[in-house]
Amino acid sequence: AQKITQTQPGMFVQEKEAVTLDCTYDTSDQSYGLFWYKQPSSGEMIFLIYQGSYDEQNATEGRYSLNFQKARKSANLVISASQLGDSAMYFCAMRAYNQGGKLIFGQGTELSVKP
Amino acid sequence: NAGVTQTPKFQVLKTGQSMTLQCAQDMNHEYMSWYRQDPGMGLRLIHYSVGAGITDQGEVPNGYNVSRSTTEDFPLRLLSAAPSQTSVYFCASSYGAGSGNTIYFGEGSWLTVV
Repeated sequence: AQKITQTQPGMFVQEKEAVTLDCTYDTSDQSYGLFWYKQPSSGEMIFLIYQGSYDEQNATEGRYSLNFQKARKSANLVISASQLGDSAMYFCAMRAYNQGGKLIFGQGTELSVKP
Repeated sequence: NAGVTQTPKFQVLKTGQSMTLQCAQDMNHEYMSWYRQDPGMGLRLIHYSVGAGITDQGEVPNGYNVSRSTTEDFPLRLLSAAPSQTSVYFCASSYGAGSGNTIYFGEGSWLTVV
């Protein structure tokens, strides 16, 4: 069975500092994708970054990067130069090609950026 | 997320009432799905579809029905609402079901069952 684990219910970071949000996953599939979504207090799900299981390089999107360690089954999100607007819930999710496209979510990490 | 449209955004139902949450996308996506999000939790898959005429159950399908008569629309039906179905519902779509396809979410529908 597939599973996503986010062990940090809440995190605090000082504005302009970097922060790492942890995500570990479990799957027996060889072909899968890992996603990070941001959910602000307004509720919408905002796609941040994607990493494929066969991608050799870590994904980056602006201030977001994904630290992908396949052997350890971890896909941590790194946010550089935190901004006040980064305060939100962050969800890690996984989708395996052979699982009918099902997207499995972790329980989320609430990030608070302090001025 | 302008490509995935959910209606209504807010709804209050009485126990036992039925209703349909609408989801439409204009991106010609084959894959569509419905999730629910309860307080303090991640999203859980209710039902999904890999194309018109094809649907399947997700993690928490009980109490919900779906159908997919067109590529664009994927309505979620609550046949007899229960307080346990109070939640935020998200519809999502993607071009395919493969791991590399970007997944787009609607803005969510807040449902309260009293």
